[in-house]
Amino acid sequence: EAGVTQFPSHSVIEKGQTVTLRCDPISGHDNLYWYRRVMGKEIKFLLHFVKESKQDESGMPNNRFLAERTGGTYSTLKVQPAELEDSGVYFCASSQDLGGYGYTFGSGTRLTVV
Amino acid sequence: KQEVTQIPAALSVPEGENLVLNCSFTDSAIYNLQWFRQDPGKGLTSLLLIQSSQREQTSGRLNASLDKSSGRSTLYIAASQPGDSATYLCAVAGNNRKLIWGLGTSLAVNP
Repeated sequence: EAGVTQFPSHSVIEKGQTVTLRCDPISGHDNLYWYRRVMGKEIKFLLHFVKESKQDESGMPNNRFLAERTGGTYSTLKVQPAELEDSGVYFCASSQDLGGYGYTFGSGTRLTVV
Repeated sequence: KQEVTQIPAALSVPEGENLVLNCSFTDSAIYNLQWFRQDPGKGLTSLLLIQSSQREQTSGRLNASLDKSSGRSTLYIAASQPGDSATYLCAVAGNNRKLIWGLGTSLAVNP
């Protein structure tokens, strides 16, 4: 089966610009998660979708971040306007159940805001 | 609040050595614990998943143990190879299934 796909793999944008990250989960996985790693810190949870619904968005840093999962398939994470502290690696993961049998992660999107 | 600590932060060993990576967590009420590997510029690859009711899991040269009561897990790598060089991350899932991560151990296995 195809894994979790994320694109772009890298993005360099200027402060104030908008960037949209995309994640395609494994087909049939209802649960989709976004995580982020800022340089030098632990990977942190951002949010969790079950199908198209946001189950938990407690980790979203602020209202400059908007996640969507239309139709319960792929998900997008938009940062608008981007700030320097948004730089990091954004990971997406999917699971068939609620993670009881683990998660499959994508390769991540490395975002650099300059 | 769950916190996950990994020791050591970095490790460099000659090829062939057996080694142990450590992970500790502060709240023993976990759902499961997962070890991941990350290669430079790559994604996160799941290595082993241990459910809260289990004590250990094995896959090839890898063995992970879990002691919930003491809040510890170890990842044992037997007969290390240069291809094992990577960052190893420990992540704990609570009942809400969110993963809480350690900072990782950067492993270098030298030929």
